[in-house]
Formats: sequence, structure tokens, C-alpha cells
Amino acid sequence: GQQLNQSPQSMFIQEGEDVSMNCTSSSIFNTWLWYKQDPGEGPVLLIALYKAGELTSNGRLTAQFGITRKDSFLNISASIPSDVGIYFCAGQVYGGSQGNLIFGKGTKLSVKP
Amino acid sequence: NAGVTQTPKFRVLKTGQSMTLLCAQDMNHEYMYWYRQDPGMGLRLIHYSVGEGTTAKGEVPDGYNVSRLKKQNFLLGLESAAPSQTSVYFCASNRRRLYEQYFGPGTRLTVT
Repeated sequence: GQQLNQSPQSMFIQEGEDVSMNCTSSSIFNTWLWYKQDPGEGPVLLIALYKAGELTSNGRLTAQFGITRKDSFLNISASIPSDVGIYFCAGQVYGGSQGNLIFGKGTKLSVKP
Repeated sequence: NAGVTQTPKFRVLKTGQSMTLLCAQDMNHEYMYWYRQDPGMGLRLIHYSVGEGTTAKGEVPDGYNVSRLKKQNFLLGLESAAPSQTSVYFCASNRRRLYEQYFGPGTRLTVT
């Protein structure tokens, strides 16, 4: 089936650092979504993107819908301890059944020891 | 506005037992979904529904059944639980024509 490649799989952050992660696919998407999941909780929607090239912010988070429509990027500026968690990208494939999102396997953010 | 709620939060079953997980949403969403989340596997779609009285299979439907008798509720059933069904189950919903799915808090199921 279709897959989303999300990278990095994990990363350590120090307070104040900027963080970047991305998702890529061989398929074209018409929607990209970014979620955050805290331990023991359900994923929470952070940002939704609907147009190629679109850049959307939510506080310190900024996400972009890639021009090729095959990738998306999430940046977190000036990270703080509560940014720790797992971030998932999800996409709706162009021409796919509505509602059938494809999910990345997540990027786990942890605090640098 | 409670959003998406799931009951129970935790459950332990013995192999062969049956159970039903309940998902409820108060956002008047047409679409509802059941996912399972396993370490290293991400979220995988089990079944989904595009409206009251309709259901469809997702990526990993075997061993599960679903029903959507009311628009606000989506039930996931395990008729004969197996250890391979040990997982965290999430329900989600969204409005038709919008792809933004909203998730419940999850049910952690262990089958021994």
C-alpha cells in the first residue's frame, strides 16, 4: 500500500532549539495534516494544509505543503519542554477514498539528557 | 463539547473472550473511524463509516466487526479476542468533505 516516510524517527531537543521534521511519499497528496501525541493520549491536530506551497503557522509551529505535493515539513521554533511527544504527519492521497488518511510512523521528540 | 470519547479506557481480556468498544462524538460528524496503534507500526485503519448505517473495511479489518446504528456512535467488536489484538485502539471522526480527523483518548486492550 501507499506509505509515508517520516524523518527523523527520533530526535533530542534542547530548550530554545529549532526543530525540523518532514514527510515524503511517492504519491501526490491533496491534504497534509500534522498531529502531536502525548503519552497515553490520542493524537491532537496541530495544522492542516490544503494547497501546494501553502505555509501555515500555529504559534511556534509552522508547516508547509510541498510544491511537488509529495512532501510536507513541520518546524518548531524555540522549543520548550512541553514540545516533547510524538509528531505524526498524515495525508489524503489525491484521488483516494475520502477519509482514508495515510499516516507516517511518527517523529519522537525527547529532551536532550 | 466533549469531542470524541471512548469507553472503556483499559481492558484485559482472555483469549477467546468477546468485547465491544464504544466511540461517541458530539460534533455531528458524518465520518467515523477505528484505528489500532502498535509500536513501530503507526496508526492502521480497521474499519470506517461514512454515515449512519454504513460501514467499510480499512487496512486491517480481520477479527473485528463494527456497527453505526446512530450517527454519533461507532462500535468496534471483537468476537473472539486473540493476543495479536493487544493494542491501543483509537476512534476518530471528521465532517464530510473535510479531512481533519479528531481523535478520542484511546482504549488500551490487552489479550492474554
